[in-house]
Amino acid sequence: NAGVMQNPRHLVRRRGQEARLRCSPMKGHSHVYWYRQLPEEGLKFMVYLQKENIIDESGMPKERFSAEFPKEGPSILRIQQVVRGDSAAYFCASSPPRAGVHQETQYFGPGTRLLVL
Amino acid sequence: SQQGEEDPQALSIQEGENATMNCSYKTSINNLQWYRQNSGRGLVHLILIRSNEREKHSGRLRVTLDTSKKSSSLLITASRAADTASYFCARANAGGTSYGKLTFGQGTILTVHP
Repeated sequence: NAGVMQNPRHLVRRRGQEARLRCSPMKGHSHVYWYRQLPEEGLKFMVYLQKENIIDESGMPKERFSAEFPKEGPSILRIQQVVRGDSAAYFCASSPPRAGVHQETQYFGPGTRLLVL
Repeated sequence: SQQGEEDPQALSIQEGENATMNCSYKTSINNLQWYRQNSGRGLVHLILIRSNEREKHSGRLRVTLDTSKKSSSLLITASRAADTASYFCARANAGGTSYGKLTFGQGTILTVHP
């Protein structure tokens, strides 16, 4: 059973370009989360999605950032018109459908390291 | 800060010694999870402890949770050089719009010398 997969693992973009980061959750997992990690820091929550729905996007910057998790295919985190401050590691996590009110473990992918030149 | 604190920020020990890392938080939680991250890599889940639990074990790992003090600790016994990594606690906050997201601390960098 493959784990959470992310691609690309490394992405280099020039200022003003678009970055598209992909995440395939673990088999059977219907919940996807995106986090951003700046150097020497912990992870910061960005967005929580279920299939075709955004559940919580309270951590997403108001502009240039968007996320989707379509019925078919991977979840996509899209950053338009990237700036140098977007350089970070972006991690995706997935979890299975919830059992009652309990939140389940989130399983993380290897991350995409974005470098904006 | 809503994220709380982890201490120490860095810990350096010899192989065979025990390592204890602490995590404090400010809001009510559903559960608290500990993760390990090797340099430049993804996160590996270690243990999840629910708000109604006080202690959990997994191999050489022992996690405690004191909800009255809003704190948790991770103990690694008989450490090995391979335990060298950053360790993060992550809180799943209780209720409302916080449901689903984890709030991470700044982490503790553990170095185990052979």
